[in-house]
Amino acid sequence: ETGVTQSPTHLIKTRGQQVTLRCSSQSGHNTVSWYQQALGQGPQFIFQYYREEENGRGNFPPRFSGLQFPNYSSELNVNALELDDSALYLCASSSKRGAEETQYFGPGTRLLVL
Amino acid sequence: QKEVEQDPGPLSVPEGAIVSLNCTYSNSAFQYFMWYRQYSRKGPELLMYTYSSGNKEDGRFTAQVDKSSKYISLFIRDSQPSDSATYLCAMAPSTSGSRLTFGEGTQLTVNP
Repeated sequence: ETGVTQSPTHLIKTRGQQVTLRCSSQSGHNTVSWYQQALGQGPQFIFQYYREEENGRGNFPPRFSGLQFPNYSSELNVNALELDDSALYLCASSSKRGAEETQYFGPGTRLLVL
Repeated sequence: QKEVEQDPGPLSVPEGAIVSLNCTYSNSAFQYFMWYRQYSRKGPELLMYTYSSGNKEDGRFTAQVDKSSKYISLFIRDSQPSDSATYLCAMAPSTSGSRLTFGEGTQLTVNP
């Protein structure tokens, strides 16, 4: 177990709706990253938060947004859902040990957009 | 062209076989290389990481990096049915604070 939890495990939404996914990191992990994994593909980086500030974004539109809270929890919000947003959404938390930072993934939230 | 290429398989081997999984990459900025294992409907689990060319061994697993050829491999010795999963290679420009770029994963089945 990585100590990273995500909720909900599954979610069904319709096109145009908004969704909020949640992640709880390990205590002391001050960096959280979110990834989208389409079926049969590797995870794609959405964005990263460090100490509650966005710290890098992948090739995703602004309707994907996030928040990180002081209690090591974070949220991924997606507005105006599209069918192609159907995927497994993964959060990964990490902390530094010297120069190394290893990302530990949660089990993911499977989102289906109809 | 994708930055990281990985043969998606599927790969099916008998129990006890040596498995070789490979990724190639085009971005010479990648310096930190990881292998994750992902069971069906689970999140990726870190298996091994390395940031130097050469071999790194951990039990039945050996990670190999050849930066000159932009090629990394994961070898699994004495494969077990419990090794059946999707194996993802991942890379980053540095060991700290970096987004990971993944291959698309190789689906492995080890038959008893």
